[in-house]
This record gives sequence, structure tokens and C-alpha cells, in this order.
Amino acid sequence: AQSVTQLGSHVSVSEGALVLLRCNYSSSVPPYLFWYVQYPNQGLQLLLKYTSAATLVKGINGFEAEFKKSETSFHLTKPSAHMSDAAEYFCAVKESASKLTFGTGTRLQVTL
Amino acid sequence: GAVVSQHPSRVICKSGTSVKIECRSLDFQATTMFWYRQFPKQSLMLMATSNEGSKATYEQGVEKDKFLINHASLTLSTLTVTSAHPEDSSFYICSVGGGGTNEQFFGPGTRLTVL
Repeated sequence: AQSVTQLGSHVSVSEGALVLLRCNYSSSVPPYLFWYVQYPNQGLQLLLKYTSAATLVKGINGFEAEFKKSETSFHLTKPSAHMSDAAEYFCAVKESASKLTFGTGTRLQVTL
Repeated sequence: GAVVSQHPSRVICKSGTSVKIECRSLDFQATTMFWYRQFPKQSLMLMATSNEGSKATYEQGVEKDKFLINHASLTLSTLTVTSAHPEDSSFYICSVGGGGTNEQFFGPGTRLTVL
């Protein structure tokens, strides 16, 4: 079965600093990978997705992620954090058919 | 992407009662919908896959008789928590499969509190 590991349940950065949220996956076949963001008491919003096209994927709100097969990673980055980026971020891998498996999530805190 | 709504957004009920949560796909005909449960500060756990016109597929450990799923149309799936207990208190989120896009579109969630 495919799985996702998110290192760091909580990340704190200063406003304007680089954001790096880590995600490693385990898959026996080329995976589909996703990053979702969740604001308090809300559902999930898709930030970006990797579907075997370009390895560097650009998403909404200035986020991007790079698929590295050799490292089985799909880390999420943003050059400059904004206060509005504070939220919970989930990495997910798609299994057969359309079932998604989520990581445990990383809470991003942005400080002044 | 698809727009997904859930109703109610928040519900409080007494222990032993049943609660129905609706998930609607507003602009997309969804043959498949997914129901997730999320406990505080935890990730989403898939409970079941709802298939239009047929029985839902439940994940291991999820009681199908307790969490009744009905997917009677291409735009509506319902989750009924029967004989709810305090341990069923959670955030329930549905999603819609995006056809050929490989992604899922999520509803805003329903917070269930069982007293």
C-alpha cells in the first residue's frame, strides 16, 4: 500500500521567510501526489498536484513542490511566507482508482 | 473544480440519537463520493467510498451498520450516524472524485458533537 510521511507536525517561520514543508512517499508505482491546505473548521483546498508531467509543480498562493523520485520526496515550498499562510497542510498520495491517503499534516505558524 | 457543499455545518445531538449529514456536488455529476472523519489535530481518515446506485465500500474497522451511506443520485450522498455516542464526535468531510483529473474536491465539513 502507498503511504505518505510528513516530517514535522508543526513548523514556525517568520513572515517573509522561506516555507519548507516536507513530504516523503512510499509507492511501488508512479504516484499521483497532492498538497492540500486546511483552514480552521473548513474542508481541504487543493494547493497543487503532481501527475507525472513536470517535476516542478506550481500551485496557488505562490506555493510550489518538486517531485524527486530518487529521494521519494514531494516537499512544498514558498519563497516568502505571509500571515495568511498559517494553516494545516496535508500531503496525499493517490492509490488505485481514486482513493487518497493523507499524511498526518503539518501545522504552519507564521510570526511577525 | 467541482463545488461541494455539506449540510449541516455543525450539529449537536444527544447520545443515542441519529444524525444525517448531506453532501452535495453542486456542479458535477459524481458517481463516486468519499466520506472522511477527522479527529482534532489529526489527519483525515477515509471511512467509506459512496457509489451512486450501489452499496458503499467501507474501510476496515468502520461499522457499516453504524455509519449508513446512501448515494441515491449523482449529486447527493448522505451519511447517517446511527445511535451516536460521544466518541463519534468528530469533523466529517466529504469529497467528490474529479473524473479524469485525479484529484478530489472537498466539502467544507460538518462538525458533529454528541453530548
